[in-house]
Amino acid sequence: QITLKESGPTLVNPTQTLTLTCTFSGFALSTTGVGVGWIRQPPGKALEWLALIYWNDDKHYSPSLKSRLTITKDTSKNQVVLTMTNMDPVDTATYYCAHIVVVSDTFDYWGQGTLVTVSS
Amino acid sequence: DIQMTQSPSTLSASVGDRVTITCRASQSFSSWLAWYQQKPGKAPKLLIYKASSLESGVPSRFSGSGSGTEFTLTISSLQPDDFATYYCQQYVTFGQGTKVEIK
Repeated sequence: QITLKESGPTLVNPTQTLTLTCTFSGFALSTTGVGVGWIRQPPGKALEWLALIYWNDDKHYSPSLKSRLTITKDTSKNQVVLTMTNMDPVDTATYYCAHIVVVSDTFDYWGQGTLVTVSS
Repeated sequence: DIQMTQSPSTLSASVGDRVTITCRASQSFSSWLAWYQQKPGKAPKLLIYKASSLESGVPSRFSGSGSGTEFTLTISSLQPDDFATYYCQQYVTFGQGTKVEIK
């Protein structure tokens, strides 16, 4: 049974760096073809993909946010960490992590999401 | 970058209606297309993958079709539990969503 859960601050100040952790179980990020992605959703708006990391440490970032994002994995802890620098109120959103497999390019399992508010 | 455009943005329908949502890509792509259902306050739920494969546990009234740049999600007989927002996804690009409302 695959589960994922996001954790991190619920409130960050503008210009601060956000660090979110995705802790998962039921799969290993060392397994060929497996990845974990981050997707966010501002209140009332659509889903927006942020970053992806694969079993082989291949990393992909949204072109529009690439300069602000870093994704890493800790295979021994079953965790993926996303950092986003220079937070702005427009970054207020629910942040999700999700499991993806290369064979289908589909986010088949999602965490419950964590709402991050950017405000002073 | 590929853009995914869904239509309509909002759809009003009644229980029992046949509903079709369209997703058009700005260019043809080599990866697969998926459809998700999202209810307020919940994470998206995978319905269809590889354009037409039904995810395990998803009711058979949901179906997907299409290829190239045009794809559709069809709900054959809308049920009360189906009122939600639906998103298409091609690799790292999501459509803008289609909200299915009660008529």
